[in-house]
Amino acid sequence: GESVGLHLPTLSVQEGDNSIINCAYSNSASDYFIWYKQESGKGPQFIIDIRSNMDKRQGQRVTVLLNKTVKHLSLQIAATQPGDSAVYFCAENGDSGGGADGLTFGKGTHLIIQP
Amino acid sequence: KAGVTQTPRYLIKTRGQQVTLSCSPISGHRSVSWYQQTPGQGLQFLFEYFSETQRNKGNFPGRFSGRQFSNSRSEMNVSTLELGDSALYLCASSPQWNTEAFFGQGTRLTVV
Repeated sequence: GESVGLHLPTLSVQEGDNSIINCAYSNSASDYFIWYKQESGKGPQFIIDIRSNMDKRQGQRVTVLLNKTVKHLSLQIAATQPGDSAVYFCAENGDSGGGADGLTFGKGTHLIIQP
Repeated sequence: KAGVTQTPRYLIKTRGQQVTLSCSPISGHRSVSWYQQTPGQGLQFLFEYFSETQRNKGNFPGRFSGRQFSNSRSEMNVSTLELGDSALYLCASSPQWNTEAFFGQGTRLTVV
């Protein structure tokens, strides 16, 4: 089956800098994408989502960019804080026509904040 | 509004036993889906329920099953447990299918 992947397993950034986490997907039928944050011992926490009819969506300190031409998704976190340390997953929901197939998750990027 | 609640948080079972995990979705959410998370395979989709009907199932053996009740609460069952079933089992609820999914804290299952 098709899957969603992330480019880097670990990303280290300085506190206060902007973070960019990337994700590539291969299912061209995907029409809905979500970014999740997972802290140790907790379930994934919804951050932001975007549908395929949009290129960009902004939230509080976060921006998601979608490039359908190259099947690329990115999450930008502004002014990274220590509390942003976590594993970040991108997920896509590509309805194959038989109904919702559930979310397909990437492997995750561990964001490490350096003081 | 209360979040997704999963019980129990931790379980230890012996090979060959069966286990039932419970999930209470966010109030008003009709879609519940289940995922298995392991270090090696990451997050994998198990199944999704909407209005008591299983809409889709991931690539897992028949030992994994689930159901949803009329109040949207869901249970999943794993029979004849194997060591490889040790994982964090996560439940997510959504208002409708193909919308944002909110996860619970998960049930950590250890099979010995």
